[in-house]
Amino acid sequence: AQKVTQAQTEISVVEKEDVTLDCVYETRDTTYYLFWYKQPPSGELVFLIRRNSFDEQNEISGRYSWNFQKSTSSFNFTITASQVVDSAVYFCALLRSGGGADGLTFGKGTHLIIQP
Amino acid sequence: EAEVAQSPRYKITEKSQAVAFWCDPISGHATLYWYRQILGQGPELLVQFQDESVVDDSQLPKDRFSAERLKGVDSTLKIQPAELGDSAMYLCASSSGLRGVETQYFGPGTRLLVL
Repeated sequence: AQKVTQAQTEISVVEKEDVTLDCVYETRDTTYYLFWYKQPPSGELVFLIRRNSFDEQNEISGRYSWNFQKSTSSFNFTITASQVVDSAVYFCALLRSGGGADGLTFGKGTHLIIQP
Repeated sequence: EAEVAQSPRYKITEKSQAVAFWCDPISGHATLYWYRQILGQGPELLVQFQDESVVDDSQLPKDRFSAERLKGVDSTLKIQPAELGDSAMYLCASSSGLRGVETQYFGPGTRLLVL
């Protein structure tokens, strides 16, 4: 069975601070995909990044960066110089590759609050 | 930018009533998903369609929930009768191309409150 754990229920920081959101996953598959989504108060899930299990290279996109480590089954997300607009619930999700159902397995989310 | 459309955005109903949600995926996307998100939790898959066929509905409470995608484009999710525990956000997502490797894009969701 697949599982995604986001141990941080809520994080509150002051604007311009750096913040890291943790994600730990469990799967028996050798090929899988990891995702991060942002859910602002409006409710829509906004896609941020997708990573496949064979690509452990870290990625940076503007103020966002992701650290994928298969050895620890972690896919952490860092926001540098946080802004108030970054306030949202962030979800880490796991997708198994191959035939059959392709539903994402989500963590419970981390509520990020950026205070001005 | 193409988006997944959902309606209504909000729905309040009384228990034992019937409710229906509609989803229009991104044009050309063959795969469509319905998820349910209970407050404070991550979304959970209810049903997945590939074109007009159901791929997975193992988590759909079939005694009261039904879903269809008759022409392989838009989809309807129905609950009859609604129960208090059905209060949640219902999210639709779509993806293109090969199953299992494409990113799922989500709509704005329908917030359901059952009184």
